[in-house]
Parts: sequence; C-alpha cells; structure tokens
Amino acid sequence: QVQLVQSGAEVKKPGASVKVSCKASGYTFSDSYIHWVRQAPGQGLEWLGWMYPNSGDTNYAQKFQGRLTLTRDTSISTAYMELTRLTSDDTAVYYCATDPDSSSADTWFDPWGQGTLVTVSS
Amino acid sequence: DIQMTQSPSSVSASVGDRVTLTCRASQAIEKWVAWYQQKSGKAPKLLIYAASTLQSGVPSRFSGSGSGTDFTLTISTLQPEDFATYFCQQTIILPITFGQGTQLEIK
Repeated sequence: QVQLVQSGAEVKKPGASVKVSCKASGYTFSDSYIHWVRQAPGQGLEWLGWMYPNSGDTNYAQKFQGRLTLTRDTSISTAYMELTRLTSDDTAVYYCATDPDSSSADTWFDPWGQGTLVTVSS
Repeated sequence: DIQMTQSPSSVSASVGDRVTLTCRASQAIEKWVAWYQQKSGKAPKLLIYAASTLQSGVPSRFSGSGSGTDFTLTISTLQPEDFATYFCQQTIILPITFGQGTQLEIK
C-alpha cells in the first residue's frame, strides 16, 4: 500500500537546524509532489512547501523562504525537509504528504506520514 | 493568501445526530476544497476532495457540498468514532491554506 514513513522525534536548541526524512513506498516516488505541513501544539495546520521528486523543483511558503530546504534522494525514494535558525515557534509536528493519483502540485493529500515532533528548547 | 474560516470552532453533538460543518474561503476557489478528519496524536485523514467527492474507503455518512466561497461537510448519522477535529483545505492557489478546524465533541 502507499505509505510515507518519517524519521523520529528531534530536540534542538534555538538557532540550530533540523532535517526530517520521509520515505515513500507503494507508488512511483518521482511522479508525485511531496508536500510538507506542520502543526504546532494544539494549533491548526500550516503548509510549508512542496518538492517534485522528478526534477527537484521546489516551492516554499513565503514565511519560510531562506530557512526551508526541501530535497530528495530518488535512489531510496526519500524526501527531506531541513529548517534552519530554529526558534521556539518552530516547535511542532511536521508531516510529509502526497497524492499518488496526481501529477499536479495543486492537490489534496492522501496519504500523510505519521508525523515527526520537533521540539526547540534551550 | 486565501483565508479559510471554519465555523463553528467547536460543536457538541450526540451519537445519531446529523451535523453540518462550514468552511468559507476569502475568495472564490471553484470546487477546490478538501476535508480532513484528525484524531488526537494522528495524522489528518482525507475524507472529501473537490468539494463533494468521497475518498475511497470513507463511510457514506460523510458528504460535502459547495462551490465558490462556501462549503459544507455533513455527517448524516454521527458514530462514536466520528468525534474528532475536522479541517478544510483549499488546494488551488498557493500557498495552500487550511481552516483553523472544528472540534466535534460528544454531548
């Protein structure tokens, strides 16, 4: 079945960087956009950006421009989200998500990864 | 950015009730809305896409409607497993944005 499996929880100090992985299986990784979404504790969902594995093209929400980098390794069907200059406001669960039935970036998300909790604390 | 405003922010209902949740977009987005259910500690689950298309495997008691700026998610007969938080999402204009969520609680 189509599945996204993310790396484990991280604890980082303010000013540090974090890199979260998202391993895809059950579909052709290169053909579908990977999106990243985060959810702060008790809050709603915030879209960070997308990456197209086939080309490596990316699109970032303006709020994260300059701090966010989305990459991939197609040989192992894995996407990565790196966020730099972390502050306490970046404490959240980070999700990857895709839609294997679409080759468009403008799409809904199913499935999602299980989420990775990133805690930023001194 | 397109603002997605959900109402109510929380609602209490009983098993067997019919419930309608609302999502309003700050500008017209045709039919490009999806609805998700999220339970505590879990990733969101896609219920409805393109405003009214039921995702495979989702019970038929869930339905969606609307176009332009106003959208609804209806649960026809609430089941115990339906108590969760529901989010709408617009998918047509970047940045993709979500509503703030409606928490559906047991009365």
